[in-house]
Amino acid sequence: GAVVSQHPSRVICKSGTSVKIECRSLDFQATTMFWYRQFPKQSLMLMATSNEGSKATYEQGVEKDKFLINHASLTLSTLTVTSAHPEDSSFYICSARTGAGHADTQYFGPGTRLTVL
Amino acid sequence: GNSVTQMEGPVTLSEEAFLTINCTYTATGYPSLFWYVQYPGEGLQLLLKATKADDKGSNKGFEATYRKETTSFHLEKGSVQVSDSAVYFCALSDSEGAQKLVFGQGTRLTINP
Repeated sequence: GAVVSQHPSRVICKSGTSVKIECRSLDFQATTMFWYRQFPKQSLMLMATSNEGSKATYEQGVEKDKFLINHASLTLSTLTVTSAHPEDSSFYICSARTGAGHADTQYFGPGTRLTVL
Repeated sequence: GNSVTQMEGPVTLSEEAFLTINCTYTATGYPSLFWYVQYPGEGLQLLLKATKADDKGSNKGFEATYRKETTSFHLEKGSVQVSDSAVYFCALSDSEGAQKLVFGQGTRLTINP
């Protein structure tokens, strides 16, 4: 089946630093990737939709200058949390979609736990 | 806008019990419906899906039927196992545009031996 990886799986950083998270589709080409944020014991909140070669589309309330998304190839998307603060601590999950039909399925990465001290 | 509502958890059952997790949705058009499962320490995995009214999705003994008349997609399993302990998310994907997934709040299921 389709596999999506994320790196790193865990990261701890100091307040004010930037952190980059990678999302890769290992055995398929993903024209669209999605970035989610999951708070403890809560559902996934979509942050942005990323299409290869174009600017990401951010959901309402998500700061695009703080959460930089790059989708440079059909197998790689990156999320950079700039000038991270403790309130950015969360579980970040990416997903990648195959094809473009109505019944497509998104395949999820294992997530990255970010802790900002 | 589109939304998904799941029964609140946590749900605790004994092994071999019958499971139902309720899910209802609000959507325009004809969405696809999904159940995802998140095992402890792991990412989301697709459990089953249905793309049109009256379709039944099934996998690993779990079933869910797309009911357009009641806007529901309840998850059922006849006999649960300890290994089914996880968080279950109901979700829909709109039929137009970016086809983004909208998730319910998740239901934590614990099965005791």
